[in-house]
Amino acid sequence: AQSVAQPEDQVNVAEGNPLTVKCTYSVSGNPYLFWYVQYPNRGLQFLLKYITGDNLVKGSYGFEAEFNKSQTSFHLKKPSALVSDSALYFCAVRAPYGQNFVFGPGTRLSVLP
Amino acid sequence: DARVTQTPRHKVTEMGQEVTMRCQPILGHNTVFWYRQTMMQGLELLAYFRNRAPLDDSGMPKDRFSAEMPDATLATLKIQPSEPRDSAVYFCASGASGGRAYNEQFFGPGTRLTVL
Repeated sequence: AQSVAQPEDQVNVAEGNPLTVKCTYSVSGNPYLFWYVQYPNRGLQFLLKYITGDNLVKGSYGFEAEFNKSQTSFHLKKPSALVSDSALYFCAVRAPYGQNFVFGPGTRLSVLP
Repeated sequence: DARVTQTPRHKVTEMGQEVTMRCQPILGHNTVFWYRQTMMQGLELLAYFRNRAPLDDSGMPKDRFSAEMPDATLATLKIQPSEPRDSAVYFCASGASGGRAYNEQFFGPGTRLTVL
């Protein structure tokens, strides 16, 4: 069965500092991995995904994520955080030929000015 | 730009009433997902359709919830009768399939349901 863990409920970071939001997964086979962001009173927005190839994936708004197969992780990163990055972030996994996306519980990111 | 639309955006109703939520997927997308989001449970998958056929509704309480796709441009989620514990934000998402499990989903803005 597929599962996603986001070990931190909340991440606080100062504006201008690098940020990391952690995600680990469990799935049979090679996974497809996704990050979504949710701003208050909005639906989830797609940020980036890993399919295959280069382990470092670049996405929207300056975000990137690193796939690590041995550690079954897909951490979201940004070199310099903005206050406007404050939101709820979801990691999701889908197995090859899988039907459903499995979402993690979400991590609330607060970027402090 | 193309986006998923949901109506209504907000719904307040009394316990026992029927609630119908509607979703228009992005034109050309052939997969539709219904999710429920609460503080306690997070994001839960309720139902999944591909080419209008339900593939997975195991997350949905069968006695009161039903999901349908009358046509390719409309998905509905119905609760009858509604209960206070159904209060949540309900999201619809659509995606392109064709055997590509790596295609991402696009979410609508959600319907915030309050059952009194």
